[in-house]
Amino acid sequence: AQRVTQPEKLLSVFKGAPVELKCNYSYSGSPELFWYVQYSRQRLQLLLRHISRESIKGFTADLNKGETSFHLKKPFAQEEDSAMYYCALPGGFKTIFGAGTRLFVKA
Amino acid sequence: DVKVTQSSRYLVKRTGEKVFLECVQDMDHENMFWYRQDPGLGLRLIYFSYDVKMKEKGDIPEGYSVSREKKERFSLILESASTNQTSMYLCASSSTRRGSGNTIYFGEGSWLTVV
Repeated sequence: AQRVTQPEKLLSVFKGAPVELKCNYSYSGSPELFWYVQYSRQRLQLLLRHISRESIKGFTADLNKGETSFHLKKPFAQEEDSAMYYCALPGGFKTIFGAGTRLFVKA
Repeated sequence: DVKVTQSSRYLVKRTGEKVFLECVQDMDHENMFWYRQDPGLGLRLIYFSYDVKMKEKGDIPEGYSVSREKKERFSLILESASTNQTSMYLCASSSTRRGSGNTIYFGEGSWLTVV
């Protein structure tokens, strides 16, 4: 069965520290994976997708098929990165979302 | 920019009331979705629609129904609201056209409190 797991509900780091939000997936085939972000009082929106291989707001995510992971990373966290982050796996009409990780970046 | 608009941002309803949540998108997307967002549970799909008048159950359809009479509008209906339906409801849309990238576009959400 297709599944997305985000093991951390809450992640708290200091400003300037590296941050890694974990995402593991279960999928038979070549997956397409996304990260969505929801800042306070804003709508949920796409942050990045693995197929684009781009860095958005300093975040990157590499698909590791061997470990079935798609962790989101940023070398130096900023206070404005505080938000709710969801890893997502599109599958036909239905996209499967992880439970989400709330990131707090402390000053 | 794609715009998904949920007409009601905050609602308070009594147990047993019928509740309508309305959603409109302006990008001619074929697919529309209703999700519940609850802390620790992530986003759970209630219903989705891939065409006018078509609807499919998601993961948690019990206690809900939907209506899609026009392509741009997708309504979520709680026939008899209960306190366990207190939640944030997110409407979303997407396109399956080539080049759309499987991206889902979300509305701002409707906070529903059932008392």
